[in-house]
Amino acid sequence: QSALTQPASVSGSPGQSVTISCAGTSSDIGDYNYVSWYQQHPDKAPKVLIYDVNKRPSGVSHRFSGSKSGSTASLTISGLQAEDEADYYCGSYTASSTLVFGGGTKLTVL
Amino acid sequence: QLQLQESGPGLVKPSETLSLTCTVSGDSISRSIFYWGWIRQPPGKGLEWIGSIYYSGSSYYNPSLKSRVTMSVDTSKNQFSLRLTSATAADTAVYYCVRDMMATDWGQGTLVTVSS
Repeated sequence: QSALTQPASVSGSPGQSVTISCAGTSSDIGDYNYVSWYQQHPDKAPKVLIYDVNKRPSGVSHRFSGSKSGSTASLTISGLQAEDEADYYCGSYTASSTLVFGGGTKLTVL
Repeated sequence: QLQLQESGPGLVKPSETLSLTCTVSGDSISRSIFYWGWIRQPPGKGLEWIGSIYYSGSSYYNPSLKSRVTMSVDTSKNQFSLRLTSATAADTAVYYCVRDMMATDWGQGTLVTVSS
């Protein structure tokens, strides 16, 4: 299975908004609304921010939102804060009943 | 509150079998609607899904690892396990156990190093 495609890095200033894209295919993102986004701080386990494309688990800030268009999913972080500096991964369910991840995006808060 | 705790050897010799167990508290594997799974992350690299298993034994594996992976469930101990045969240095990673096919909940992870 091929990995989903994410930009290696994005950056933004405090208070700004940033969007991270996640490109897949018709066999994963394009065909299922099972897309999740994970945040990982250094030496910590990943934490789910978004599931089912645009749902937020209890306790996750409303500053995080997800969307999907065709075979590309997106994570938008609004009102950027220093604590948002982390690695972000997208994941999608696939037609083979597997889970595939993106390569990860490093977010730098300037 | 759900807790997932990985356990197993931190050092495995090349060609041997890597074995890990995840102990679940706060949910019952046998009564849960969720799949339970394993994900790994080599040092400095991204996430790789290894596979998922249901309490009934139904399982799905990453095609790239399928020939070497076996997962099992022990409902009496509320645990599930991973076996990865013929380990090589490329299997050195932090291994996470997770709940749900989409990994909604994660254990803290355990580093396994494959080295002689």
